[in-house]
Amino acid sequence: ETGVTQSPTHLIKTRGQQVTLRCSSQSGHNTVSWYQQALGQGPQFIFQYYREEENGRGNFPPRFSGLQFPNYSSELNVNALELDDSALYLCASSLSGGSGELFFGEGSRLTVL
Amino acid sequence: SQKIEQNSEALNIQEGKTATLTCNYTNYSPAYLQWYRQDPGRGPVFLLLIRENEKEKRKERLKVTFDTTLKQSLFHITASQPADSATYLCAPLNAGNMLTFGGGTRLMVKP
Repeated sequence: ETGVTQSPTHLIKTRGQQVTLRCSSQSGHNTVSWYQQALGQGPQFIFQYYREEENGRGNFPPRFSGLQFPNYSSELNVNALELDDSALYLCASSLSGGSGELFFGEGSRLTVL
Repeated sequence: SQKIEQNSEALNIQEGKTATLTCNYTNYSPAYLQWYRQDPGRGPVFLLLIRENEKEKRKERLKVTFDTTLKQSLFHITASQPADSATYLCAPLNAGNMLTFGGGTRLMVKP
C-alpha cells in the first residue's frame, strides 16, 4: 500500500507567476483535500475533491483551483501568486464513508519572492 | 464565525509526567473531533478520533476527552517521553463536514 505522495517537495516562484502542485492519493482512497499551512500556524482548508468534483471549499479566492483525475490523483493550481501564498501545501487523502481520518503527504513548500 | 483555539505557547514538561493539551471551539457543534501529531517539515499524522456521543477515548498512552457542553477537548499523554515532542493539532469537523484545524500546540518533553 503506497502512501500519499506530493510533488515537487520545494519550489520557488516570483510574484504574479502560476504554480501547479501534484498529489497521488493513498491506494483505494477516493477523496482528496488540500490545505495551506503558513509557518507556525495550523493547516487551513482550501478545498476537497470527490469523484472529480469539488466537494467543499474554504475561504480562498478563485485563483486557487484544483482538479481530481479518474485515478483519484489531484492537482492544486494557484494563479497570480502573491507573497502571502508562501506556505507548505498539504494534500490529504481519505475514503468517503470511512472514519474521516486524513492521510497526509509530506507537503510542497512554496516560496514566492 | 467558527473558531478553534489551541494554546499557541509551547508546553514544556519533564519526561515521565502527563502532558495535557487543550482545544476549545466556538459557534458550532462538531459530530467528531480528531487529533493529529505533526513533526517539523512533515505532514500531520492521525492519532485519535472521538465522536460527540463519546466522553473519552484511549489509545496506549494517549487519552482524549470531549465535552460538548464546554465545547472543549483535552488531549493527554501519560508517561511522556522525549520522542513525544512535536506539535499537536486538534481538528473538529466543521458545519460543512470538512475537517478544520486549530493552530496547534508545541509540546517539548525534556529528559
